[in-house]
Amino acid sequence: ETGVTQTPRHLVMGMTNKKSLKCEQHLGHNAMYWYKQSAKKPLELMFVYSLEERVENNSVPSRFSPECPNSSHLFLHLHTLQPEDSALYLCASSHQTGKGETQYFGPGTRLLVL
Amino acid sequence: AQSVTQLDSQVPVFEEAPVELRCNYSSSVSVYLFWYVQYPNQGLQLLLKYLSGSTLVKGINGFEAEFNKSQTSFHLRKPSVHISDTAEYFCAVDGNMLTFGGGTRLMVKP
Repeated sequence: ETGVTQTPRHLVMGMTNKKSLKCEQHLGHNAMYWYKQSAKKPLELMFVYSLEERVENNSVPSRFSPECPNSSHLFLHLHTLQPEDSALYLCASSHQTGKGETQYFGPGTRLLVL
Repeated sequence: AQSVTQLDSQVPVFEEAPVELRCNYSSSVSVYLFWYVQYPNQGLQLLLKYLSGSTLVKGINGFEAEFNKSQTSFHLRKPSVHISDTAEYFCAVDGNMLTFGGGTRLMVKP
């Protein structure tokens, strides 16, 4: 138990659906992250939030829309996804952004797009 | 720009044998280095990290890693592995943003 929870753990959706992934951290951290983990590829950083403001967006398609209403919660809204978006989506948090900070990861949401 | 290369995608080893997982990096700035472990159906968990000081870093579960600046390496070692060490191991470098390698799957056989 790392103090970072993600729901749902598994999600199957069609390409026309809209769904949301939720992440919650109980560590009192100020920074939160979304990563995409695909088979045979390194983890890809998608979004970074610091004190509820987005500070990094690594050229992610607009069909992925993040939301950070407060420092404990992070959402990833999904719409009109493609089959190649099927992956494990990991949320992480850290005390703050910055070099050398340890990130604490949730268990991930495994997404399958049909 | 920075990158991380984990030279072995899979490492099979027998229980109680020693193991070394290799990691090389490149960066135009000074970096901090990390090893994370991912057990099946779980997120990543920090094993150890190098920020400064002694180049030999000890982590959880008996793992250690040595930072070698001249060879730009940060190899992970354990003198005697257990079945429970079966997992995916990720090396990561932090110059201005955390960048992960492709991972090494450690398979410990009885």
